Amino acid sequence: QQQVKQSPQSLIVQKGGISIINCAYENTAFDYFPWYQQFPGKGPALLIAIRPDVSEKKEGRFTISFNKSAKQFSLHIMDSQPGDSATYFCAASGQAGTALIFGKGTTLSVSS
Amino acid sequence: KAGVTQTPRYLIKTRGQQVTLSCSPISGHRSVSWYQQTPGQGLQFLFEYFSETQRNKGNFPGRFSGRQFSNSRSEMNVSTLELGDSALYLCASSGNKNTEAFFGQGTRLTVV
Repeated sequence: QQQVKQSPQSLIVQKGGISIINCAYENTAFDYFPWYQQFPGKGPALLIAIRPDVSEKKEGRFTISFNKSAKQFSLHIMDSQPGDSATYFCAASGQAGTALIFGKGTTLSVSS
Repeated sequence: KAGVTQTPRYLIKTRGQQVTLSCSPISGHRSVSWYQQTPGQGLQFLFEYFSETQRNKGNFPGRFSGRQFSNSRSEMNVSTLELGDSALYLCASSGNKNTEAFFGQGTRLTVV
């Protein structure tokens, strides 16, 4: 299976709150899981990525949690800010940088 | 360091015509991937070129083709355009094997 399922489709969070976006995959050959952020009119920008040999990776306010047995991974945005309002995509591939399979995206709105 | 550059940014074409899109990767990057982004299907992988050779291919009809030049610049061609080809076409570049992909701003193609 090549699908990556992402939820929720949209998310509204108050400023300072925690935003959580979840993804699930089927293909056990995937070994690279990035998250991208996209603003209107722009291309996706790489936020953070993880490989299955670790269960968590943190970069600033962004954390990826990875559960290999459940084939799930999630993005946590701590202290969410209005500037974080964007569309977030999870992705997976069998080889970093190529043939990324994307989730359908989550539109995040952070209210001030 | 300059990012991924895609030209043109916007295009309007008529059904049945063909179109060529261009992508200049980040200096030193040898891999270029192309993606199609639409509201309905999301981000879908088209193909990837590495050192002038197609290394991976997504599930798109043969009307979609590409090539890569010795300087790593890549072009994507769509022949016999259909209304459904209207989309944002994104190019991503990455360095040696197993490095992250960085996206350009995309070319917005409208087929009328």
